[in-house]
Amino acid sequence: DSGVTQTPKHLITATGQRVTLRCSPRSGDLSVYWYQQSLDQGLQFLIQYYNGEERAKGNILERFSAQQFPDLHSELNLSSLELGDSALYFCASSVGTITDTQYFGPGTRLTVL
Amino acid sequence: AQSVTQLDSHVSVSEGTPVLLRCNYSSSYSPSLFWYVQHPNKGLQLLLKYTSAATLVKGINGFEAEFKKSETSFHLTKPSAHMSDAAEYFCVVSERFSSASKIIFGSGTRLSIRP
Repeated sequence: DSGVTQTPKHLITATGQRVTLRCSPRSGDLSVYWYQQSLDQGLQFLIQYYNGEERAKGNILERFSAQQFPDLHSELNLSSLELGDSALYFCASSVGTITDTQYFGPGTRLTVL
Repeated sequence: AQSVTQLDSHVSVSEGTPVLLRCNYSSSYSPSLFWYVQHPNKGLQLLLKYTSAATLVKGINGFEAEFKKSETSFHLTKPSAHMSDAAEYFCVVSERFSSASKIIFGSGTRLSIRP
């Protein structure tokens, strides 16, 4: 158990809809990272937040957004969903910088029908 | 610019024989390099990490990796494979001091262990 929690575990929705994925980091970690894992694109870094502020950005679509709250939990919002957004979404946390060891949550499996 | 290439998408070895998973990287700055493992239907777990200290890095479960700057490689090895090593392995490079800090995962190597 990494200490990172993600909810929900599974999510099934329809095209055009909007969903919110939630992540709670390990106690003491200030950074949260979001990743998308799919068969065709592999594991892609989406975005990093550090202590409430966006710190690094990867291949995140404009339809996706994230935020980190004062209690350090984070949410990833996915809107105008397409079939291709079906994937496993991981959250990870670390003490601080992007070069620190990251601890991964169990993931949220999103299915868009 | 950063990049990471895992040279084998699938490696199959017999139990008790050595494991070699190959990774080449490119980086404009002094990178941090990682190997993570993902067991089926699980999140990723850190195996080991290089951050410009010793070039030979020891990790968990008997794995180790050697950083070779001249070859831009960071291959993962284990002397004797165990059935529980069957999983997907990811080589990762990250940079903090560039103008746009990023992290890049390799495409993964699936390790199969034959009894």
